[in-house]
Amino acid sequence: GQNIDQPTEMTATEGAIVQINCTYQTSGFNGLFWYQQHAGEAPTFLSYNVLDGLEEKGRFSSFLSRSKGYSYLLLKELQMKDSASYLCAVPSHTGGFKTIFGAGTRLFVKA
Amino acid sequence: GAGVSQTPSNKVTEKGKYVELRCDPISGHTALYWYRQSLGQGPEFLIYFQGTGAADDSGLPNDRFFAVRPEGSVSTLKIQRTERGDSAVYLCASSLLAGAWNEQFFGPGTRLTVL
Repeated sequence: GQNIDQPTEMTATEGAIVQINCTYQTSGFNGLFWYQQHAGEAPTFLSYNVLDGLEEKGRFSSFLSRSKGYSYLLLKELQMKDSASYLCAVPSHTGGFKTIFGAGTRLFVKA
Repeated sequence: GAGVSQTPSNKVTEKGKYVELRCDPISGHTALYWYRQSLGQGPEFLIYFQGTGAADDSGLPNDRFFAVRPEGSVSTLKIQRTERGDSAVYLCASSLLAGAWNEQFFGPGTRLTVL
């Protein structure tokens, strides 16, 4: 089967850097997604990694290590509006259609 | 352009009733997904459509749940004999191409409350 683990909650200070980790277990690998979800709103796409390494996109970067079954999302220059849940997700190991989401990490940014 | 829309935004019903939840995907998007999200959890896959056909319905919890997409655009999720445990936010997502490795665009969800 597949399993995704990420911390339940994190707190960070405005202007700081925070790293949100995700470990996954899957018998096959078709890439890894990060989505952001503000309270009461729909998830929105942040990144998709299929190869090892760091991909930077503005203040957000995502890292993947396939051999370790590990990814992280790095948020720099934190802003209050970054307070949200961050969801790690992997496409089903059977291929095709199903995406398995982690429970999400709730990030609280304080002044 | 318009994003994914879902109606109603909120639905309160009584145990045992029938409900229909509607999803309008982004125009031209081939793939459509339904998810269920409970408080403090990530979205849980229910069903995937490619065009008009359900390519993967393995996430539907039981035969009280059914979904259709008759013309390959709008989709309706139908729940019969609702139970209190069905209470959750039901999310719809669409993607331009088939395959779960494509970015999904989510609608705002329908919050279903079964009393």
